[in-house]
Order: sequence, then structure tokens, then C-alpha cells
Amino acid sequence: DARVTQTPRHKVTEMGQEVTMRCQPILGHNTVFWYRQTMMQGLELLAYFRNRAPLDDSGMPKDRFSAEMPDATLATLKIQPSEPRDSAVYFCASARQGPPITGELFFGEGSRLTVL
Amino acid sequence: RKEVEQDPGPFNVPEGATVAFNCTYSNSASQSFFWYRQDCRKEPKLLMSVYSSGNEDGRFTAQLNRASQYISLLIRDSKLSDSATYLCVVNGGSQGNLIFGKGTKLSVKP
Repeated sequence: DARVTQTPRHKVTEMGQEVTMRCQPILGHNTVFWYRQTMMQGLELLAYFRNRAPLDDSGMPKDRFSAEMPDATLATLKIQPSEPRDSAVYFCASARQGPPITGELFFGEGSRLTVL
Repeated sequence: RKEVEQDPGPFNVPEGATVAFNCTYSNSASQSFFWYRQDCRKEPKLLMSVYSSGNEDGRFTAQLNRASQYISLLIRDSKLSDSATYLCVVNGGSQGNLIFGKGTKLSVKP
């Protein structure tokens, strides 16, 4: 049963620490997304990649966030330094093709981040 | 105007009720439309795509009105297991990516 895998599932850290979240997209999916979800803002697109190339990271605070795909099986989202306002659930998702995205997005279970 | 807007609810309905959710979108060039379902503390999952002519999947009916830029989801004979947040999703960002509404929370009571 193919699925998107994210680690860690939960992370509690102190302000100023570096946080790295990892995602393994579904094999064969060429488009990978990072979303952030909070109660106030809902799901916000942070960045996405097609065939490992970054297409859009306009939703990401550039001074502290970075997203990469070192290879087709791994996407990373890094926050350095972390701040309490970064506390949220971070979802990785992949799609078989795109853009434009015309089919289903498959989400991982999310990484729940708490920054104290 | 936000790109995708939904009534946040919550909608509290008894079992067996019919409930309708509405969604409006701002980008007239959008071509693909979806409803996703998100259970509490879980990831979003595709419920159904929305086609121009309207489509039905069991108790669920989705409709699209391109002229009004409006999407709807109707749930008939609601079940306890329908309790979740329903996300309206539209493609049409600058790169054709998917834009999510904030969701409408549904609670079905016995």
C-alpha cells in the first residue's frame, strides 16, 4: 500500500533550535509539496517541487525556512532558527504529475511541531 | 477576496440529516476542483473530484457553478462517521498548484 512517509511524527523543541522534517514521497510521483496547517490559517503551501526542482517557495519565510529534494525519494524541510510561531502541523504530499495538479494529492500523516 | 472561501461551521446535525457545504473561489481560470475530508488530527484525504456536470458518489453529491465560481457538497442521510472537516480545493495558483479552503467542520450527532 503506497503511502507518503514523514518523520518525525512529533517534535518538541526550544526556540532557536534547528528542526529538520523529512518526507519520502510515493514512488513514481514527480511532484512533492510541503504544507503547514494551523487553526488560524488552515493549510498553507510552503513549497513544491517537480522532478526534484523547486517550482514555488513563495509561501515560505526565506530567512529561516529551506526546502530541498536531495534525491527522488527524499524531501526535507528545515527551520533554522525555530520560533514559537512555527508551531504547526507540517504535511508533505505527493502527486503523480503536474503542474497543473489535476489529480489526487496524497498526504503523509504530518509532523506536529511545537516550539517552546 | 481569499482564493478559496468556506463557511467554517461547525455544522451540528442529527444522524440522517441532509447537509450542504458551499465554497467560492476567486480564480476564474481554475480548472480542477475537489473536496477533501480531514478527520481530527489526521491528514487530508480526497473525498471526490468535482466535475462541470455535477457528480454523485453514493450519499455525496458535488456541484460546480463556473459562472458564479461556486462549488457545493451535499451529504444525504448523514452518518456519525461523516463527522470531519471538509476542505474545498481548487487548482489555479501561479503554478497550477492546489489551493485549500480552511474547511467546514461537520459534527453528526446520534
